[in-house]
This record gives sequence, structure tokens and C-alpha cells, in this order.
Amino acid sequence: DGGITQSPKYLFRKEGQNVTLSCEQNLNHDAMYWYRQDPGQGLRLIYYSQIVNDFQKGDIAEGYSVSREKKESFPLTVTSAQKNPTAFYLCASARGMFNEQFFGPGTRLTVL
Amino acid sequence: AQSVTQLDSHVSVSEGTPVLLRCNYSSSYSPSLFWYVQHPNKGLQLLLKYTSAATLVKGINGFEAEFKKSETSFHLTKPSAHMSDAAEYFCVVSVSSNDYKLSFGAGTTVTVRA
Repeated sequence: DGGITQSPKYLFRKEGQNVTLSCEQNLNHDAMYWYRQDPGQGLRLIYYSQIVNDFQKGDIAEGYSVSREKKESFPLTVTSAQKNPTAFYLCASARGMFNEQFFGPGTRLTVL
Repeated sequence: AQSVTQLDSHVSVSEGTPVLLRCNYSSSYSPSLFWYVQHPNKGLQLLLKYTSAATLVKGINGFEAEFKKSETSFHLTKPSAHMSDAAEYFCVVSVSSNDYKLSFGAGTTVTVRA
């Protein structure tokens, strides 16, 4: 059964800690994306990757880091430098340019 | 840069009545356009997409959208709303002719009254 998985579903972090959000896809898609969603603001792009071992900053990359060592995986690390990390984080993948993106179920991160 | 504007932040309809969600875009080339739906605390699900084929696009769950280049619009409609249509809807446009990025509208929240 193909799709995108994100884990954990809920994540709690103390201030000053780094946390890593997992995103895995078995759709054989080249492109993967990370978005942040805040109430009333739609989705904002954090990072994206068009191919393994390559990624680009999106519109709000500060305080985040990613890696793309495998085609199936695109983990996102929220660092302590991110000043307001509490949000809903969505991962997506796509076959290529002009193709629709498929979304995972999301991870809700709360900073305590 | 491409952008998309959803003209209504909130739409309320009665069950069984038509739904209209308005979307305008700006683009310097012929874009790809999408509508997604998001139920609370869930990921986004694709409703339909336009990629320069037929201007009237039919999607899942009875939704359809019409691409009007002259009006730079891509409005989403459904003839008869169901309670299960209560959700947030996003209009999305491809950013450029050589970029993998998409630009998302701010979203329209749909409420369905019994």
C-alpha cells in the first residue's frame, strides 16, 4: 500500500532542544517537501528536495535543517534556533515538476 | 512569482445546496492548478488538478473546477453539499515553468449546516 508516513503524530519539545520529524514515502517519487502550517496562514514551504543528496531552502528555512540521503526519506530537524516552532508540520512528495503533491498525515509539534 | 488568492476565508452553506469556492491566480505562463481539501488534524488530499487539458476539470466527491484564463480564475464548485464536505480547502498554483515549488492560497473553511 503506497503512501507517505510521518512520525510521530504528536511531539512535545522543551525549549532549547532539537527534534527530528520523520517522513518516509514508498511512492518512488523524486521530489519531497516540508511545510509548516499555522492557523489561518495556509502552508509555508520550509525545505524541498528534487533529488537524492540535494535540497533547497524554501520560504522559511531559518531554524530548520534537512537531509536527503535516501530517495524514500526526508527528515526535518527543528533546531533550538527556531524561535516559534509550535505548529503542524506536513511532508509531501511528488513525481516531478507540474505533478500533484501527495501529503502525509502531519506531525503536531508543541514546545513546552 | 506566481501567487494565488482565495477570495473567501469562510463559506457557510446548507446541506444539499451548491458550494462555490473562489480562487484567482497570477501567472506569467500557463500554470498547473490544484484544489486540495484538509480535514481537521489531517494531511491534504488532492480534489482535482488542471494541467492545460480540458478547462472544466472533474474531481473526487462530486467537485469540479473551471479554468478561465481570461479571468485568471479557478473556482471550485459542487452542486449539493454534504455534511462530510465541512473542511478547509486550498487552491494551489505551480510557481514557474522550471520549478518544483507550489504556491498555496490561505485556505477557505467550509461549514455545512444541517
